[in-house]
Amino acid sequence: GQNIDQPTEMTATEGAIVQINCTYQTSGFNGLFWYQQHAGEAPTFLSYNVLDGLEEKGRFSSFLSRSKGYSYLLLKELQMKDSASYLCAVLDSNYQLIWGAGTKLIIKP
Amino acid sequence: NAGVTQTPKFRVLKTGQSMTLLCAQDMNHEYMYWYRQDPGMGLRLIHYSVGEGTTAKGEVPDGYNVSRLKKQNFLLGLESAAPSQTSVYFCASSRDSSGVNEQFFGPGTRLTVL
Repeated sequence: GQNIDQPTEMTATEGAIVQINCTYQTSGFNGLFWYQQHAGEAPTFLSYNVLDGLEEKGRFSSFLSRSKGYSYLLLKELQMKDSASYLCAVLDSNYQLIWGAGTKLIIKP
Repeated sequence: NAGVTQTPKFRVLKTGQSMTLLCAQDMNHEYMYWYRQDPGMGLRLIHYSVGEGTTAKGEVPDGYNVSRLKKQNFLLGLESAAPSQTSVYFCASSRDSSGVNEQFFGPGTRLTVL
């Protein structure tokens, strides 16, 4: 079966750095997405990785290792507005997105 | 541009009632999707469409029907609602299915079936 694992909840301090991990086992791989979802709102796109390595976009970076079936999202200089759920999703061989359950990130002052 | 819009935002149904959720997008996207989101679970694909007049089943299609008569609209129907269909429903659209084209989501419909 297809499976995406990410921690259920993480806590970090304002101004710090946090890394959210995602491991996956899917039928085929056509890229990995990270989305942000604030409580009661829609998911919004953060990043896309299809090749191994690190993609940096401002305070957010995303890393992919296809051989290990592993990705992480790195958030730097945390702000209170970063409190949200972070969803990992893999585009499978049928070009359908398989979603993880999300990681709820709590930022404390 | 409004992006992706959904109506209604909230709805309460009794078991056995029917309803239609409407999704509209103004980005001229070919692909549209209906997901449900339940606590502790990832988004699950109900049905999707790769273009006007086409629909296909996703992971959890039972109890739902869809139609895509116009490119900009994607309707999700519940013919006989059940408590198990209590969920948050998200519509999304993308230019196509290739990886570089992310999905854009509507604000969601919160449905409770009593």
